[in-house]
Amino acid sequence: NAGVTQTPKFRILKIGQSMTLQCTQDMNHNYMYWYRQDPGMGLKLIYYSVGAGITDKGEVPNGYNVSRSTTEDFPLRLELAAPSQTSVYFCASSVYRGTGLDGYTFGSGTRLTVV
Amino acid sequence: DAKTTQPNSMESNEEEPVHLPCNHSTISGTDYIHWYRQLPSQGPEYVIHGLTSNVNNRMASLAIAEDRKSSTLILHRATLRDAAVYYCILSPHNEKLTFGTGTRLTIIP
Repeated sequence: NAGVTQTPKFRILKIGQSMTLQCTQDMNHNYMYWYRQDPGMGLKLIYYSVGAGITDKGEVPNGYNVSRSTTEDFPLRLELAAPSQTSVYFCASSVYRGTGLDGYTFGSGTRLTVV
Repeated sequence: DAKTTQPNSMESNEEEPVHLPCNHSTISGTDYIHWYRQLPSQGPEYVIHGLTSNVNNRMASLAIAEDRKSSTLILHRATLRDAAVYYCILSPHNEKLTFGTGTRLTIIP
């Protein structure tokens, strides 16, 4: 299994440009998450989804949008890139068992620089 | 969310056991204790989680204090590949995990 796949791995954006970070998983997980990680810091939750058609805000949603039209895909959209969005972005997925969610599976990340 | 406290960094010799501590004095009865690790330039990786009883898996063991106010992640025989940042996280159902800054573990050859 490929697990969680993120594309692109690296991207440089100019201020004001927009882009979509892609995330897809092939494990039939219903829960999916987007995190960002600034240098030397922990991960902060941007958005999450508990299933197709359902999304909700995390800790730092401003400047981002998401959609979840299928179980497999959970793209993250940046509409007007700002230098403060320079970060490494991680997508993760999980599935609910009887006693709670399984451990998350993370992608390898997208390193985004806004100049 | 209940808060965890971990040392910023630790060192251990290769092929020796490593005990990574985590304090969580405000843990609630429904909080699970989760451990993840993040190798350099990679996404986090699930290690282990537990509620009240000690847990073992192929990667590590989790020892939970009787009052649940602290826990210890045990790597039985550290290798260079275990050098990573280790995160201790509390969550009632593993939803919306909050990652702090963790413990940076250095393995000395």
